[in-house]
Amino acid sequence: ESVLTQSPGTLSLSPGERATLSCRASQSVSSTYLAWYQQKPGQAPRLLIYAASSRATGIPDRFSGSGSGTDFTLTISRLEPEDFAVYYCQHYGSSPPWTFGQGTKVEIK
Amino acid sequence: EVQLVESGGELVQSGRSLRLSCAASGFTFGDYGMHWVRQAPGKGLEWVSGISWNGDTVIYADSVKGRFTISRDNAENSLHLQMNSLRPEDTALYYCGRRMKNTVAIDIWGQGTMVTVSS
Repeated sequence: ESVLTQSPGTLSLSPGERATLSCRASQSVSSTYLAWYQQKPGQAPRLLIYAASSRATGIPDRFSGSGSGTDFTLTISRLEPEDFAVYYCQHYGSSPPWTFGQGTKVEIK
Repeated sequence: EVQLVESGGELVQSGRSLRLSCAASGFTFGDYGMHWVRQAPGKGLEWVSGISWNGDTVIYADSVKGRFTISRDNAENSLHLQMNSLRPEDTALYYCGRRMKNTVAIDIWGQGTMVTVSS
């Protein structure tokens, strides 16, 4: 069974700071099948990054994704007030077919 | 405007059935794979089920396999999730989502419909 582990669980930062979120897979995954989402309270998730490093439509360039194999990273270069939210990674594999990480909360310090 | 609107969620007793629907608009529904993802109160996202553009391929999470059935009606631009033998642990906000073409991600999400299963 493929598992995605996100770290840290909570990241406390100030606006303007850089955020680095980690997503580690228990088995090597194709970067083509790795995505990141943002979710704010009371809202549906929003796709940020697909294929590990491609920004979705309308996503600001302060969001970037990188990684390969089992280690992937979402970086927010300079946090804006609207970026404080929960972030999930997700991948497509064999078992289960789709998996989400447990999430990283980015909170205001 | 591209939009997904879920409906059908309600409070039901354990062991009963419920059918969720998702109405799509603003895009060619029959061109896209579709998925259901749920979120228990205060918890993270859990993928539930997916269906190919033509309905030929369906996949399920182990937690719902044998109890839930995903289907679609491309003529009606609608996605469905038939949920049988419901359990308290199925309590969640259920989102439908559009699979983005040429990759494996959900690029359009509905606002969700709440299912509460009482014991």
